[in-house]
Amino acid sequence: QQQVKQSPQSLIVQKGGISIINCAYENTAFDYFPWYQQFPGKGPALLIAIRPDVSEKKEGRFTISFNKSAKQFSLHIMDSQPGDSATYFCAATGFQKLVFGTGTRLLVSP
Amino acid sequence: DAGITQSPRHKVTETGTPVTLRCHQTENHRYMYWYRQDPGHGLRLIHYSYGVKDTDKGEVSDGYSVSRSKTEDFLLTLESATSSQTSVYFCAISESDRNTGELFFGEGSRLTVL
Repeated sequence: QQQVKQSPQSLIVQKGGISIINCAYENTAFDYFPWYQQFPGKGPALLIAIRPDVSEKKEGRFTISFNKSAKQFSLHIMDSQPGDSATYFCAATGFQKLVFGTGTRLLVSP
Repeated sequence: DAGITQSPRHKVTETGTPVTLRCHQTENHRYMYWYRQDPGHGLRLIHYSYGVKDTDKGEVSDGYSVSRSKTEDFLLTLESATSSQTSVYFCAISESDRNTGELFFGEGSRLTVL
């Protein structure tokens, strides 16, 4: 039973386009929502995170949008670049345990 | 660099044999985690530790045990490996006792059980 549902499973975007990855959760005890980026052969690395009392957070080309009432959050990558090609995981945390979505493999074509 | 080292990085073993994976941190962070990563499942928490000799189960703990006798080392043991435990195992640490969701991951240990 996946506590955090992530879609799509894979995504192909043209260079310069916008990449959008969506996640949904059920457990209202979650109180922090990070996104991780993982390159092949490496461990995941924190990309950006948001608390549920904030509706949007932007860091450079990466933006998280958060809808608390719908229990959904999403990652937008603006001006996507080939170097952004990686697997992205949304996650949610409560009580010091981090629960991950199933991941989205992003390919940005040149 | 969070100073996390996993060993071994690659291991091939046979069904029924015991396997121990080691995670070593160079700092004295309290929280350490073991995750497994499988296609279609993302990362799933196996066990975690919140101090020396203080451990708790995650969502996929069956068939695994852990030990933490020193702050810097967190061991994951498969008492009798099965093919379903073929996976990539990641150790992670939290640099804060606050629930920030910010973990630092090691490079992973790829385990193949034949």
